[in-house]
Amino acid sequence: EAQVTQNPRYLITVTGKKLTVTCSQNMNHEYMSWYRQDPGLGLRQIYYSMNVEVTDKGDVPEGYKVSRKEKRNFPLILESPSPNQTSLYFCASRDNSYEQYFGPGTRLTVT
Amino acid sequence: AQSVTQPDIHITVSEGASLELRCNYSYGATPYLFWYVQSPGQGLQLLLKYFSGDTLVQGIKGFEAEFKRSQSSFNLRKPSVHWSDAAEYFCAVGIGGGFKTIFGAGTRLFVKA
Repeated sequence: EAQVTQNPRYLITVTGKKLTVTCSQNMNHEYMSWYRQDPGLGLRQIYYSMNVEVTDKGDVPEGYKVSRKEKRNFPLILESPSPNQTSLYFCASRDNSYEQYFGPGTRLTVT
Repeated sequence: AQSVTQPDIHITVSEGASLELRCNYSYGATPYLFWYVQSPGQGLQLLLKYFSGDTLVQGIKGFEAEFKRSQSSFNLRKPSVHWSDAAEYFCAVGIGGGFKTIFGAGTRLFVKA
C-alpha cells in the first residue's frame, strides 16, 4: 500500500530535550515536505526537499532542522524544543503531478 | 507577500443543499491551485488541482472548482452535500515552480440533517 508513515504519532516532551520525528514514504517520490498545523492558521510549510541532499526552507523554519540522506526518509529534528513548537505536524511526499500525499500526523506537546 | 485567504472560518449547510467555499490568493503570477479535505483526526486528501487550461476542474467526491484569474479566486463547489462531506477544507497554492506551498486557514463544513 502506498503510504507516508510518521513516528511517533503522539509525543509529550520537555523544553530543551532534543527530539526527532521520522517520516518515510514508499512511493519513490523525490519531493518531500514538513508542515505544522495550528488552529486558525492552517498548515504552514517548515522545510521541503526536492531530492536527496537537497533541502530548502519553507515559511516557518526557525527551530527546526531536516536531513535527506535517502529518498524514502525525511526526518524532522527539533534540537531544543520550546512550548511554541507544540503543534500537529504533517509530513508529505509529492508525485510528478504535484499531488501531495500526507502522513497521519504527529501531535507534539512541549511543556 | 504571497497569501491564501479563506474568508469563511466555518459554514453550515443542510444535507442535499449546494455548497460553495471561497478561496482568494495573492501572488504575482498564476500559481498551482489545490483544494484538500481533512476529516477529523485524519491527514489531508487532495480533492482537485488546477495548473492551466480549462478553468473549471472536476475532482473526487463530486467536487468542482472554478479558477477566475480576474478575481484571483479558486472557489470550490458541490451541487448536493452529503453528511459525509462534513470536514475541514483547505485551499492551497504552489509557488516557486511548485516547490513551496501556502495553505489557507481552512473552512470547517458542518452538515445538518
